[in-house]
Amino acid sequence: GAGVSQSPSNKVTEKGKDVELRCDPISGHTALYWYRQSLGQGLEFLIYFQGNSAPDKSGLPSDRFSAERTGGSVSTLTIQRTQQEDSAVYLCASSLVIQTDYGYTFGSGTRLTVV
Amino acid sequence: AQTVTQSQPEMSVQEAETVTLSCTYDTSESDYYLFWYKQPPSRQMILVIRQEAYKQQNATENRFSVNFQKAAKSFSLKISDSQLGDAAMYFCAYRSAGVAGGGADGLTFGKGTHLIIQP
Repeated sequence: GAGVSQSPSNKVTEKGKDVELRCDPISGHTALYWYRQSLGQGLEFLIYFQGNSAPDKSGLPSDRFSAERTGGSVSTLTIQRTQQEDSAVYLCASSLVIQTDYGYTFGSGTRLTVV
Repeated sequence: AQTVTQSQPEMSVQEAETVTLSCTYDTSESDYYLFWYKQPPSRQMILVIRQEAYKQQNATENRFSVNFQKAAKSFSLKISDSQLGDAAMYFCAYRSAGVAGGGADGLTFGKGTHLIIQP
C-alpha cells in the first residue's frame, strides 16, 4: 500500500478480554516495528521484525503481549487478558531494510482503551 | 541504555517567529543517528529531519534546522518562520548506527514538546 495501515483505528475493550491489533506495512518493506505511546509519554519501543523473524522480544511489557508477522507483510500484536494499564496508542512503523539510517514510516496507530 | 530528554513539555511562538526546541541525550556510543519527528492530532509520526553523528555539518530541511553539539550531547531543532501547520507534538529520537548480535533496533524517544503557534 501507499502507507502504513493500522486497524482498528480505535478499540474499546473490557478488562480481561484479548485484543488483536493489525499493521499492514508499506509493500516491500522488510522491517516492521511496534511502539506504545502512553498518555503524556514518548514512544516506547516494543518489538521489531526482520522479515518474519523477531530477534529480540525483550521490549514486550509482559508475557501477555505477543506479536507475529506472516508472509513478510502483515503483523499482529496480541494482548491477552487486557489490563487498564494497557490503555495507550499502539503505533506501527516500517522501513525498507533493517538498520536503515533513515527514519521509519509510521502508521496512524490504534488507540486502545481498556475499561 | 540510551536516554533522550526533552526538557520543554510545551512551547508557544507567534506565527512567523522562530522557535527552538531542546533535546539532550545520553549514550556511550560514538556512531548513531538523531531524528526529530512531528506528531499532529492524526497521530502519525512524520519525520522532520535527521542527523548522522559522524557528520559535523548541521542538517537543514527548508525552515527546519538543527544545532548538533556532539560533545555536549545536544540536538536542538530550530523552526524558522513558524506556520500554523507547524503546531504539533515534536519528538526527538535516537538510534544506534550499528547493532551487534541482533539487539533491539528501535528508536529511543524523548517525551515530546507540545508546540503551540499563536496567530
